[in-house]
Amino acid sequence: SSELSQDPAVSVALGQTVKITCQGDSLRSYYANWYQQKPGQAPVLLIFGKNNRPSGIPDRFSGSDSGDTASLIITGAQAEDEADYFCNSRDSSGDPYVFGAGTKVTVL
Amino acid sequence: QVQLVQSGAEVKKPGASLKVSCTASGYTFTGQYIHWLRQAPERGLEWMGWINPNNGDTKYAQKFHDRVTVTRDTSITTVSMILSSLRPDDTAVYFCARDRSDTRTIPLAIYDSWGQGTQVSVSS
Repeated sequence: SSELSQDPAVSVALGQTVKITCQGDSLRSYYANWYQQKPGQAPVLLIFGKNNRPSGIPDRFSGSDSGDTASLIITGAQAEDEADYFCNSRDSSGDPYVFGAGTKVTVL
Repeated sequence: QVQLVQSGAEVKKPGASLKVSCTASGYTFTGQYIHWLRQAPERGLEWMGWINPNNGDTKYAQKFHDRVTVTRDTSITTVSMILSSLRPDDTAVYFCARDRSDTRTIPLAIYDSWGQGTQVSVSS
């Protein structure tokens, strides 16, 4: 169930910076986690908790949060960054976890 | 390396039941939660439930609580998800995913490893 709000699509010029946002009440209490998903593939964890990157994730991916909004920042976007990006977090009402519907990033 | 390997694609009739398995390797099976999620065409991910492979405890999403059952077999490091009373809108790709959280703590839904996905089609 998608209870975190994300813009459906954004575009970024090659080498430029793009910010992808995720908004919801749960983010006032819990951190967002960010995933990248390419067509036909399983998602890949990019950022978790307070701006933590798993091993192997390039440092051009970073996260930030403010109030009810979390952001994924891609600094110096590469062609291979063209993908869907979605967020999730814990929640304290209803089901214990919520997801965003995803943002499609196009690299121009 | 950590691997989650899921069973193959399924085609089902409405009203039937579905079983998808997820076999883990490369880590201590009982050490981390396994979640099931699904992704319908052009839609976001939907959380279905989790299992603690250490003790078999489960928790399900309210939407699925009367139709889904998740079990584990520690002898073959496999988690299975059964979804009953299938409907056409259950057509989706089903994923298992490992939670980064240790089974001694609460599951945080930080998915650090995923199965390859299982395509399920429900149609008469």
